[in-house]
Amino acid sequence: GNSVTQMEGPVTLSEEAFLTINCTYTATGYPSLFWYVQYPGEGLQLLLKATKADDKGSNKGFEATYRKETTSFHLEKGSVQVSDSAVYFCALSKNYNNNDMRFGAGTRLTVKP
Amino acid sequence: DGGITQSPKYLFRKEGQNVTLSCEQNLNHDAMYWYRQDPGQGLRLIYYSQIVNDFQKGDIAEGYSVSREKKESFPLTVTSAQKNPTAFYLCASSMTGNEQYFGPGTRLTVT
Repeated sequence: GNSVTQMEGPVTLSEEAFLTINCTYTATGYPSLFWYVQYPGEGLQLLLKATKADDKGSNKGFEATYRKETTSFHLEKGSVQVSDSAVYFCALSKNYNNNDMRFGAGTRLTVKP
Repeated sequence: DGGITQSPKYLFRKEGQNVTLSCEQNLNHDAMYWYRQDPGQGLRLIYYSQIVNDFQKGDIAEGYSVSREKKESFPLTVTSAQKNPTAFYLCASSMTGNEQYFGPGTRLTVT
């Protein structure tokens, strides 16, 4: 079945460091891919998405490129801030209605000043 | 403001009691969802509803029940049949074909 695997955390970085959180997926065809962020005690917020191969999603300095050849959707940011500390979830959906979303286990990021 | 509200934020129940979690949205979204989140795990789908008066089981529906009598509301009942109900419960909604928006969650503790 469809699934998402993301790098285990926790990840601890200093402010202004470069961030990469790896995400790979297993699915037939061309799923839509998402990154969600969860701040402490809150629900998930959509960070960015890509719906077809080679698309690049970007938001708030974060970006991820849909790589069909490597079935990956790695999240990157050039310079992290303390306020980026959160749990990041990679997810995919095959269904147009998005009622079949599959989430990764989440990666906790802590950014220290 | 438009959004999704879940209440209460924290809920405590004794084992053997049913408990209902509230989810309301004023985004005019057609679809609504309930997920369960356990520590160190991703979200797992409990139930979803594409339209009023219709809902479908997700991956872990056993021990849960839902209703969708109004477009804005999708309450989840955690029954005594749910073997391990303590978890963080997240409600979401979406327009058909678009991404899901999440509520702030309800943390349920059953002792």
